Amino acid sequence: AQSVTQLGSHVSVSEGALVLLRCNYSSSVPPYLFWYVQYPNQGLQLLLKYTSAATLVKGINGFEAEFKKSETSFHLTKPSAHMSDAAEYFCAVSERRNTGFQKLVFGTGTRLLVSP
Amino acid sequence: DTAVSQTPKYLVTQMGNDKSIKCEQNLGHDTMYWYKQDSKKFLKIMFSYNNKELIINETVPNRFSPKSPDKAHLNLHINSLELGDSAVYFCASSLRDRGSYEQYFGPGTRLTVT
Repeated sequence: AQSVTQLGSHVSVSEGALVLLRCNYSSSVPPYLFWYVQYPNQGLQLLLKYTSAATLVKGINGFEAEFKKSETSFHLTKPSAHMSDAAEYFCAVSERRNTGFQKLVFGTGTRLLVSP
Repeated sequence: DTAVSQTPKYLVTQMGNDKSIKCEQNLGHDTMYWYKQDSKKFLKIMFSYNNKELIINETVPNRFSPKSPDKAHLNLHINSLELGDSAVYFCASSLRDRGSYEQYFGPGTRLTVT
């Protein structure tokens, strides 16, 4: 069964600093990987996804993530944090199934705090 | 032009009551999901329907019964509500044949059982 581990329930950065949110996955088959963001009292919004094309994936709002098979990682980065980036971030994995049906398994989330 | 909508947004009720949450998507997707997010923000899938057919049914109590009248709607009915059912419930949808399987989420329904 697939799973994801997000290291650090909280990450604090200063505005303008590098953002690094860690995600490691476990999957018995090649995975699809996703990062979602949840702003307070809102639903989840897709930031970016890895689906076996380029290993460096660019998403919305200046975020990107790199798929590293050897490290089973899919860390999320942004060169310069903005106050509006403060939110909860979820990494998720989905097995590729021949049936076409997928089941997303989420990590426990990382709250990003951005200070002025 | 809301993509995935849920009603109600907030639901406060007493133990033992029966309640329903409705979900609609206008994205033309054929697969819909229900997720539960607990107080620690942990998200877990509950059910998934494809073209009105149940395809994923996680270990959810029988008190929870999803219903999909058509592929654009997925409702969740909960019988005999318990304190532990308090959570935020998210509906999501995707297109099976898209190839990337990304899911689009609704705004959530915060259920509080007192």
